[in-house]
Amino acid sequence: DTAVSQTPKYLVTQMGNDKSIKCEQNLGHDTMYWYKQDSKKFLKIMFSYNNKELIINETVPNRFSPKSPDKAHLNLHINSLELGDSAVYFCASSPPWSDSPLHFGNGTRLTVT
Amino acid sequence: QKEVEQDPGPLSVPEGAIVSLNCTYSNSAFQYFMWYRQYSRKGPELLMYTYSSGNKEDGRFTAQVDKSSKYISLFIRDSQPSDSATYLCAMSDRIQGAQKLVFGQGTRLTINP
Repeated sequence: DTAVSQTPKYLVTQMGNDKSIKCEQNLGHDTMYWYKQDSKKFLKIMFSYNNKELIINETVPNRFSPKSPDKAHLNLHINSLELGDSAVYFCASSPPWSDSPLHFGNGTRLTVT
Repeated sequence: QKEVEQDPGPLSVPEGAIVSLNCTYSNSAFQYFMWYRQYSRKGPELLMYTYSSGNKEDGRFTAQVDKSSKYISLFIRDSQPSDSATYLCAMSDRIQGAQKLVFGQGTRLTINP
């Protein structure tokens, strides 16, 4: 009964490959997010969707493309992977009202070799 | 200068000690202030959530927000080895149905039995 679940948990791939990470939440939340945590534990927002609509798009290379097929799912596709993409990617969700914190998944650890 | 500054530590204290964790920030638009706890290989989990200035207490945890000084704190009383984790401060201003959380770098805390 995991609230925010991500797959895969670990992803090891070579430079230049294309990969996807999937996220699903069963909390009934309207808003979903992708965050990136670098090797120094610094968490930074990448994207946010509200009811399948993109509302936050930070300065992220075009190689990263989020897709939200419905409000319970938010996937992240990465083209032409680079060494610097190695990080832990966290999915999160929140309800629409203002005093609502984010609920995070357990992350996908991506290693690009 | 980063929007949110947090001493990354590491911080090591004996069991039973009072722990004080702090963050400063520069964006006066932030209205929501949070502390997340992150265990190794896990996603951040919400510990405390406050809106605007003031204190909030929950068991052994107390969060303080001083908006005039742009300074937030988390106090842990009677610290336990199970409190050993990375503690992340986060703050946000609401944007169109989502929260754009800005995180501090995280403080790695170890409680020694």
